[in-house]
Amino acid sequence: DQQVKQNSPSLSVQEGRISILNCDYTNSMFDYFLWYKKYPAEGPTFLISISSIKDKNEDGRFTVFLNKSAKHLSLHIVPSQPGDSAVYFCAANAGGTSYGKLTFGQGTILTVHP
Amino acid sequence: DVKVTQSSRYLVKRTGEKVFLECVQDMDHENMFWYRQDPGLGLRLIYFSYDVKMKEKGDIPEGYSVSREKKERFSLILESASTNQTSMYLCASSLRGLGYTFGSGTRLTVV
Repeated sequence: DQQVKQNSPSLSVQEGRISILNCDYTNSMFDYFLWYKKYPAEGPTFLISISSIKDKNEDGRFTVFLNKSAKHLSLHIVPSQPGDSAVYFCAANAGGTSYGKLTFGQGTILTVHP
Repeated sequence: DVKVTQSSRYLVKRTGEKVFLECVQDMDHENMFWYRQDPGLGLRLIYFSYDVKMKEKGDIPEGYSVSREKKERFSLILESASTNQTSMYLCASSLRGLGYTFGSGTRLTVV
């Protein structure tokens, strides 16, 4: 029972173009969403997050959009750079007494070509 | 610089062995987590702990146990290693909120 789904295992884009990574969730109790980035042989690192009271959050080249009615969020990277090549994980938290427990998606491998 | 340190980067163990994976954090965080990462499945929560000596099962606890005797240390134990436990194991810690800090991971191979 995958509550957070990233249906695209991989994405390939040209340097300078936009990268759009998608994530769907099924649990209506999720109220906080995060994106993590992971390079090989390293642990994931936090990238950007969004609360369910917002529909957009920006941080430099990274923007996350949340559509609660569709239970869908997306990460936009503009412009994409070769150093952005990594695995991106979407994660969600249900708040309350979850102790910050995160549910992760399967990940999307982003490759940015020079 | 705050850190989560996993004792081994690579481990090779035999089927049936008892395996200990150690994780230490230096941030005085209450919450600690063990995940495994597998291709196509993402990160799946094995166990977590929200205080010393406290533990909760995650989504895939079967075949694993944990120990948290001190706040800074969270150990994952494979009671009898099996080949389907070959995976990347990731430890994370967080303060009350959602700011996970991950370790670099332990690549475990069970032969």
